[in-house]
Amino acid sequence: DTGVSQNPRHKITKRGQNVTFRCDPISEHNRLYWYRQTLGQGPEFLTYFQNEAQLEKSRLLSDRFSAERPKGSFSTLEIQRTEQGDSAMYLCASSSKSPQETQYFGPGTRLLVL
Amino acid sequence: AQSVTQLGSHVSVSEGALVLLRCNYSSSVPPYLFWYVQYPNQGLQLLLKYTSAATLVKGINGFEAEFKKSETSFHLTKPSAHMSDAAEYFCAVEGGNDYKLSFGAGTTVTVRA
Repeated sequence: DTGVSQNPRHKITKRGQNVTFRCDPISEHNRLYWYRQTLGQGPEFLTYFQNEAQLEKSRLLSDRFSAERPKGSFSTLEIQRTEQGDSAMYLCASSSKSPQETQYFGPGTRLLVL
Repeated sequence: AQSVTQLGSHVSVSEGALVLLRCNYSSSVPPYLFWYVQYPNQGLQLLLKYTSAATLVKGINGFEAEFKKSETSFHLTKPSAHMSDAAEYFCAVEGGNDYKLSFGAGTTVTVRA
């Protein structure tokens, strides 16, 4: 069990550029979640997948954000036309199918938009 | 909708002293409750979770939490703080089939030698 991995760990970009983050969940987990954490706050839910299906999206996920999970394995989160307000830690988590199953978090990708 | 409130954004304790972190929840359905710990520049690690079995839940690193429905609370305690407990702690709630976690704002713990 190698845990949830995320790449890159850090990303610095200029306003207006597009960025893409990758998350590799624990291999047997069919649920995958994205959260955003700003400084001094708890993580906020963005979206989640069950296998390859995106089942829920938060209102925080504007049309500049898109997430995919092709083949139900790894997932990508893309932000188009980045804004300074997008600067945050983006966390990925995975879990098995049952409710109340533990969500295991990756180390996160810290994004800084200049 | 589910939410949690963590009372106190910062707690400072002496090494060997009791650690008490407060969490109150709001949920329209029987909740599942979690405490996570986050070390600097790292992801979140589960300390313990309540899933409607025993109301007193024991977790890793000597932490435990008690679910009190009448007080809508799920406070986290550790009898004797260690320097390695210095971190940020988050309480979270999941409501039934909602799946997503709603987190509190977090409590930063500082341990004094």
